[in-house]
Amino acid sequence: KQEVTQIPAALSVPEGENLVLNCSFTDSAIYNLQWFRQDPGKGLTSLLLIQSSQREQTSGRLNASLDKSSGRSTLYIAASQPGDSATYLCAVISSGSARQLTFGSGTQLTVLP
Amino acid sequence: DTEVTQTPKHLVMGMTNKKSLKCEQHMGHRAMYWYKQKAKKPPELMFVYSYEKLSINESVPSRFSPECPNSSLLNLHLHALQPEDSALYLCASSQTLAKETQYFGPGTRLLVL
Repeated sequence: KQEVTQIPAALSVPEGENLVLNCSFTDSAIYNLQWFRQDPGKGLTSLLLIQSSQREQTSGRLNASLDKSSGRSTLYIAASQPGDSATYLCAVISSGSARQLTFGSGTQLTVLP
Repeated sequence: DTEVTQTPKHLVMGMTNKKSLKCEQHMGHRAMYWYKQKAKKPPELMFVYSYEKLSINESVPSRFSPECPNSSLLNLHLHALQPEDSALYLCASSQTLAKETQYFGPGTRLLVL
């Protein structure tokens, strides 16, 4: 059974810092990995999707990498801003999971002005 | 348009009430999903519809009854719920059940008294 872990559970940084969020998964047989952002009490916003054949994806100040063999992904946020404060969730679709997303527990990010 | 809408935004119901949650998307997606999310936890998959047919039921109690009347609309009928069913209910859609980005709605915040 696929398990997804995100470390750290919470992170607080001053504005302007570059930061890295980590995600690991136990079964490397995945179709894709997706990073989401969730603001308190709100739905999920898809940030980046990395297919299993890809190594990274970029969108603006965000860069996500995928190392399938080691079961790891990172989300790099450059020049963080207070508006980046949210919970970041990583989720994978495993090959044998009938296309279900398995989520990590998330990293709660606070960017201090 | 990459929007998934959900109504109502908030719902308070007693344990003997019958209510329905509604989800709508006009992106031409043929896969739609219901998730349940408790506070500070990741979303948990409840149901998946593919081409208007129920594809996955994650052993959800029968007091939750999904319905997909057409390709744009997904309902979740609620009856005789328990206080522990209070949560944020999220709807999502994707192009198909394949390796596609899932787009989430803002959720319905449900409180069962």
